[in-house]
This record gives sequence, structure tokens and C-alpha cells, in this order.
Amino acid sequence: DTAVSQTPKYLVTQMGNDKSIKCEQNLGHDTMYWYKQDSKKFLKIMFSYNNKELIINETVPNRFSPKSPDKAHLNLHINSLELGDSAVYFCASRGTGEFRGKLFFGSGTQLSVL
Amino acid sequence: AQSVAQPEDQVNVAEGNPLTVKCTYSVSGNPYLFWYVQYPNRGLQFLLKYITGDNLVKGSYGFEAEFNKSQTSFHLKKPSALVSDSALYFCAVRDIGTDKLIFGTGTRLQVFP
Repeated sequence: DTAVSQTPKYLVTQMGNDKSIKCEQNLGHDTMYWYKQDSKKFLKIMFSYNNKELIINETVPNRFSPKSPDKAHLNLHINSLELGDSAVYFCASRGTGEFRGKLFFGSGTQLSVL
Repeated sequence: AQSVAQPEDQVNVAEGNPLTVKCTYSVSGNPYLFWYVQYPNRGLQFLLKYITGDNLVKGSYGFEAEFNKSQTSFHLKKPSALVSDSALYFCAVRDIGTDKLIFGTGTRLQVFP
């Protein structure tokens, strides 16, 4: 019944590895996001997709590549992981109409790069 | 560019006392403002929003926020704090041009028994 689910919840890996985080929403929303929350809890948008099309790319390094196979899924692939990539990554989807601007968040993926 | 500022990193309040978490905004045009709450190891949850209309907006869990145009503020309030309200609170503004939500730096609310 979870509205926005992301896996894995925890990801521990070595520098230089490639990893993916998956996100799925069952709310029927057209727009999905990836946000990064750093150790100081600052939240920054990374990407936005609307109906499988990239809308926002906030000058994220090319090592980060989102993929949206359909509007219910937005996965995040990260190549050549660096220490600075350690953070919590949140997937979110956005309501429409009266609830435009209301984001529904997943529970986060804590990425630790060693 | 649209932005919000949360001047306090942490707010401490005793259970049963009223609480206020501050937020000021800077926008061009009409502001679309939001409050979200983040409990430990969880994603953010929507509390309330202001788009237009009454300056006092009521939201989830007994929270409300007061929109003040002259002071460009949107402070979050609750008449009587609960220990379970302890969490991280984010103010946010919707950037109409890019349609993205821009978050403040967050304020940690600690409610003591």
C-alpha cells in the first residue's frame, strides 16, 4: 500500500562502484523527482521527470543518470561513486490540481560510499 | 529567484506550550508556500499549504501556519506541543517558472516532556 517506495533502504559501497536506486509510485502521478539530502539535512532537487520525460536537471554530474521506463517508475543510476555522493536520496511524486505542489516522498535510500 | 529562509536551526519547547517555527520567503509574484515534516529515518510528509485565501492555514496534526504578506513570513504554529511533534520541519516555496519545490534549510523541533 506504500504510495512511493524506493529500494534499497541502505546502500554501502566502495568508491568507484556503480549502483542503482529504484523508485516506484502507485498514485498515478505524472511527475516524479529525485532529491538529495546531505549530512546537514539540506534538501536539493536533482531531477524531475514528467510522464517519462526529463524536465529538470539541476547541474548534477553526468555520473548520475535517471531512467524512467514508465511514469510510475524513476530509477537513479550512479556511476563511479565518490565519497561526496554519500547522502540520503529521496524519490518523490507530485500531486495534481488542488494538490499541485504537494509531494509524496519515499522513505529514502541512505547511500554510504567508503 | 524564489527562496525561503528558516532562521532557526533548532527550536526547543516544553510539552503543552505553544510552538512557532519561523519561515520567511522571497518570491516574485504570488507565493505558493508549504510546510513539510520529516520524522527520523523517514521521507518528508506534507503538513499544509498556502496558495491564496485566508492568511491562517490549517494543516495536519493540529498545525497551522500564518501567512503575513507585509512581513513576508509563513510561520508554522501549534497551540500545544506534543513530544511526538519532535521532528525536522521544512518550509518550501513553489517556483512557478520551473514548477519545482524549493526547500528551506530545515528547523529541528525538540519538544521536552
